[in-house]
Parts: sequence; C-alpha cells; structure tokens
Amino acid sequence: NAGVTQTPKFQVLKTGQSMTLQCAQDMNHEYMSWYRQDPGMGLRLIHYSVGAGITDQGEVPNGYNVSRSTTEDFPLRLLSAAPSQTSVYFCATGTYQTGGNTIYFGEGSWLTVV
Amino acid sequence: GQSLEQPSEVTAVEGAIVQINCTYQTSGFYGLSWYQQHDGGAPTFLSYNALDGLEETGRFSSFLSRSDSYGYLLLQELQMKDSASYFCAYPGSARQLTFGSGTQLTVLP
Repeated sequence: NAGVTQTPKFQVLKTGQSMTLQCAQDMNHEYMSWYRQDPGMGLRLIHYSVGAGITDQGEVPNGYNVSRSTTEDFPLRLLSAAPSQTSVYFCATGTYQTGGNTIYFGEGSWLTVV
Repeated sequence: GQSLEQPSEVTAVEGAIVQINCTYQTSGFYGLSWYQQHDGGAPTFLSYNALDGLEETGRFSSFLSRSDSYGYLLLQELQMKDSASYFCAYPGSARQLTFGSGTQLTVLP
C-alpha cells in the first residue's frame, strides 16, 4: 500500500519554465491538497479538492494551477516558475468517511527555481 | 483574521515533560490538530481535539479549551527522537488545514 506518492522528489527549474508536480493516492480519499513549506516556516495551503471535479484555492494559489479529474490524482502545475516558488511541496490527503481530522502527507518534492 | 500562535523554540532534557502551547483565532472552529515533522521529513499526525479536554495517546497528550481559544501538546518522558518541529493546525469546513509556524523542540541528553 503506497499511500501518498509524490513525483519528482527533486527538481531544478529555470525561471519561466513550467512543470507539473504529481500526486497520487491509493487510499480512495476524497480530500487532496497541496502545501508549500519554506525554510523554517509552517505549511501554507496552495489548493485543495474535496472530490473529483472540484477544486478550490488556499492561502497562496497565485502561480499554481490544479485539476482533479480522478479520485487518485491531484497534479500541481507551475505555469511560469519564479525564484519565489523555490520551496518544498507536500501533497496531503484525507477522508470524510471516518471521524477525526487526520490528513496524510506525501514525502515532499524539493523544487529549486534558478 | 485567522491565525495560530505557538512558540518558535522549546528545549528540554531527556526524560522531562514539555508543553507546547497554541493560541488560535478563527471565525469557524472544527477542532485543533497537532503534527510532528522531523528535519527533511513529512508532517505526521499526532493528535486531534474536537471538544474541550484532554486526549491521551501514549506519551503524547493534547488539550483544548475552546472558550480560551487555546490548546497545548504535552510530551512526557522525552526521548532524543522527539526532537522535531511540532505544528498546531485547525481545519476549515472542508478539512483544509491552516498551520501555525511551528515549534522546534530540542531534546538534550
């Protein structure tokens, strides 16, 4: 059982390039989200989804797009990379089927924009 | 606005008890969660309080007072492996978490 899988783990981009960070989950979770974490900082929500076909913006959505065509996948697209987007990106998922409020994080994707 | 405040650093010795406080300000409240993150790792869930009172999970306990907009994480019998960052967080209506800036716990031998 893989849980939450993020790819790539490390990526270096040039300013202005575009790329997609992939997130896949095999837990049939309805909720999926993307966070970024800058050095010594907390996690800030970029976009989230409560189910296939539904997405919404978080705290820092500018410069990022998402889509949710299936339950399993929630890719994050950087349209035109900027050095300010250098960060660690975490995908996180959760289910509404059980009580509590746990979300499960992927291992992270380290992105450097030069 | 919505925010969470927690101390940036806490230091304690092995075997001791440490408390990490969190105060929050939010318009809607769906509970308070705690996550642990080791350097270079992903955050992992520790505890969740939906109602006032104490939740205990092994050496870790979490407390919530909704009237005071306050919670804390209590770590007992500290071990070296507990050195990590600890985040309090509250969910929105769709479970989207807002995180505090984190408390770096250093456990000394």
